Amino acid sequence: AQSVAQPEDQVNVAEGNPLTVKCTYSVSGNPYLFWYVQYPNRGLQFLLKYITGDNLVKGSYGFEAEFNKSQTSFHLKKPSALVSDSALYFCAVSPYNNAGNMLTFGGGTRLMVKP
Amino acid sequence: NAGVTQTPKFRILKIGQSMTLQCTQDMNHNYMYWYRQDPGMGLKLIYYSVGAGITDKGEVPNGYNVSRSTTEDFPLRLELAAPSQTSVYFCASSPVGNEQFFGPGTRLTVL
Repeated sequence: AQSVAQPEDQVNVAEGNPLTVKCTYSVSGNPYLFWYVQYPNRGLQFLLKYITGDNLVKGSYGFEAEFNKSQTSFHLKKPSALVSDSALYFCAVSPYNNAGNMLTFGGGTRLMVKP
Repeated sequence: NAGVTQTPKFRILKIGQSMTLQCTQDMNHNYMYWYRQDPGMGLKLIYYSVGAGITDKGEVPNGYNVSRSTTEDFPLRLELAAPSQTSVYFCASSPVGNEQFFGPGTRLTVL
């Protein structure tokens, strides 16, 4: 069975500084990897995904993520954080051959960007 | 295009009561899902469906039932509500092999 680990419950960063939210995964075969963001009292919003191809994936709101197969990681990054980026971030994985397209989510990382 | 809609937004139930959480999507997605999110936790899959008439259990199906009579609708039924079912419930849909789109959620409290 697949699993996702987000080792940091919370990440604090100053506005304008780069940010990284970490994610490692375990899955049989090639993975589909996703990042979602959740703002207070809202549903999850899709940020970006890795299916195949370039290891660096660019997504919404200036976010990007780097797929590292040898380290089984998919860390979320942004060069310059905004206060409005403060939210809960979830990493998710799906096996390549998952007929139901089911996702396994990590526990989430709260990002706090301070002015 | 409303995406994924859920009703109600909030509900308080007494122990032992039943209710149905409604979910509708207008994107013609084959796949639909129900998740629960407990405070400070990630999402856990309750049930999913790969098409009308087909449903299957996820990680935490006990105490819930689903049906999928149309592509658009995927209601979640709670029978004999228990305090352990206090949670935020999210419905999602996706096309085949692609990202999931989430509804705004239903906040349920069982007292």
